[in-house]
Amino acid sequence: DVKVTQSSRYLVKRTGEKVFLECVQDMDHENMFWYRQDPGLGLRLIYFSYDVKMKEKGDIPEGYSVSREKKERFSLILESASTNQTSMYLCASSPRDRAYNSPLHFGNGTRLTVT
Amino acid sequence: GQNIDQPTEMTATEGAIVQINCTYQTSGFNGLFWYQQHAGEAPTFLSYNVLDGLEEKGRFSSFLSRSKGYSYLLLKELQMKDSASYLCAVNRGNRDDKIIFGKGTRLHILP
Repeated sequence: DVKVTQSSRYLVKRTGEKVFLECVQDMDHENMFWYRQDPGLGLRLIYFSYDVKMKEKGDIPEGYSVSREKKERFSLILESASTNQTSMYLCASSPRDRAYNSPLHFGNGTRLTVT
Repeated sequence: GQNIDQPTEMTATEGAIVQINCTYQTSGFNGLFWYQQHAGEAPTFLSYNVLDGLEEKGRFSSFLSRSKGYSYLLLKELQMKDSASYLCAVNRGNRDDKIIFGKGTRLHILP
């Protein structure tokens, strides 16, 4: 089974802090994604990466950056955390060469509270 | 614009059948996914439709009509463990970053 592990289930940070959210997958997947999930808004794509050192902006990249130095690890960075970044953050992965119906594999999420 | 609509909440009784609808308007279509998400947990894959018709998988079935921009997830013989949110997601292209998600339907099962 694919395992996507997010390093923290719960985080509390102060406004202005630099925050790192870590995600590791163990199935050698090329594709990795960061979403945030908010009540009434659903899942929204922040950033994604289809290869090491590669990154592309998703639908809501403002206030975030990412790092993909190793294939198995994709980090989300909040350069200066703000209260409107309080949310559930979900990491996902998928293989590059996949069947058309292959799904995304999600981690359990990190619930971030910015005070 | 891109839009996926599904009911916010539904309630059903243990042992019954429930149908969760999803309508979509997207710039492209390359398949529709249904995911289940228990509170505080990761979304997990339930089904995928790309052609019109019904896909059955045990107690769960999913239907697609591309001409109507419509899908439903049918859950039979409901169990208490089916209490969860159900997410409809559409892939608008041939890459996973083209997947967009509906807001989810929270399903409550009553004994």
